[in-house]
Amino acid sequence: DAGVIQSPRHEVTEMGQEVTLRCKPISGHDYLFWYRQTMMRGLELLIYFNNNVPIDDSGMPEDRFSAKMPNASFSTLKIQPSEPRDSAVYFCASSLARGRGGNEQFFGPGTRLTVL
Amino acid sequence: AQSVTQLDSHVSVSEGTPVLLRCNYSSSYSPSLFWYVQHPNKGLQLLLKYTSAATLVKGINGFEAEFKKSETSFHLTKPSAHMSDAAEYFCARTGFGGAQKLVFGQGTRLTINP
Repeated sequence: DAGVIQSPRHEVTEMGQEVTLRCKPISGHDYLFWYRQTMMRGLELLIYFNNNVPIDDSGMPEDRFSAKMPNASFSTLKIQPSEPRDSAVYFCASSLARGRGGNEQFFGPGTRLTVL
Repeated sequence: AQSVTQLDSHVSVSEGTPVLLRCNYSSSYSPSLFWYVQHPNKGLQLLLKYTSAATLVKGINGFEAEFKKSETSFHLTKPSAHMSDAAEYFCARTGFGGAQKLVFGQGTRLTINP
């Protein structure tokens, strides 16, 4: 298995532009998670999905952030408009349901976002 | 509230000496517990997990961790550090009721001195 795939790996954009981050989870996994990592705040859970349905989006910082999962193999995290304080590394992770063998999360390589 | 506390933000050891990274969790029950490692510019990789089986858990790369319920601790150890162990290490736990989301500690940066 290729693991969790994220694209792009690096994104540099200007303040006010729209940014879309993409994630392909491990095939067959039930859950998908979006995290943000910064030096100041550490690793923060933004939102997670179960079987393509958003379960908890309480970590999404504000209305400029939105996430979708149109099917089991693809998810997007969109920031519109972007601001310099959104600069961070964004990780996607996926897992099986606990009753299906485990609840450890498998992480992608991350997208390093820089907003100028 | 559910929380994970990593007691050291930075640990520095010499190559070939033991490693101890400390983690305490808050809980009124036994959650699943995890240790992840993050090398520079990489994603998090699972080192090991505890899910209420054996209290001493062996992971990859010679790491192991011991679950101690009385101390609510899950410390990570390795008998002999290698230069390639230099990385950030995160302890995590599941939420109440076996919730799928994980609560992460703030991380411990491990430096290995030659």
